[in-house]
Amino acid sequence: RKEVEQDPGPFNVPEGATVAFNCTYSNSASQSFFWYRQDCRKEPKLLMSVYSSGNEDGRFTAQLNRASQYISLLIRDSKLSDSATYLCVVNGAPRGGYQKVTFGTGTKLQVIP
Amino acid sequence: EPEVTQTPSHQVTQMGQEVILRCVPISNHLYFYWYRQILGQKVEFLVSFYNNEISEKSEIFDDQFSVERPDGSNFTLKIRSTKLEDSAMYFCASKGGQSEAFFGQGTRLTVV
Repeated sequence: RKEVEQDPGPFNVPEGATVAFNCTYSNSASQSFFWYRQDCRKEPKLLMSVYSSGNEDGRFTAQLNRASQYISLLIRDSKLSDSATYLCVVNGAPRGGYQKVTFGTGTKLQVIP
Repeated sequence: EPEVTQTPSHQVTQMGQEVILRCVPISNHLYFYWYRQILGQKVEFLVSFYNNEISEKSEIFDDQFSVERPDGSNFTLKIRSTKLEDSAMYFCASKGGQSEAFFGQGTRLTVV
């Protein structure tokens, strides 16, 4: 099983639609979780952190289910500018001070006019 | 806002040549990483560096690759003898504690 798994997509959705991305992680000791956004030929940029209580930032809602080792991202009212690849990122449990950062494969979103 | 900077933004090199990719992480960060991304593919982990030594490396990070933090601020990735398949975007990242990783804008390496 891969350490962090995502559906690669692409997800093609019309403007205004709601779209959900899922991510699973294999190591139950993983510490912290994030969604990044990556535009074509650009560096990944933090979209939002993910907390067990769930968190919302405008049209974006992230959820973490530790029992199921599952993370989700919901985008409401999709905009053309939301078109990008969304990366699930997991910080592992520290080992001797070191902490591994693992990326999912990314899910590509294309919002269509 | 503090940021990770990478130079050069684009490097073209001949096959077999050595290249050094440079990164200046955020100053108070403790963890440093190199990733690469071949065009159209996923972000792949290369190596991580903590406490002045390599913490972990992937299968990609073979003997042709090395990393250094020569002066406490720069973090470099060296590829000794480049191959065509080394052509990719190389991203440096740094992280402090439990926080998220911050990425540089990347160096696009083209091996011809």
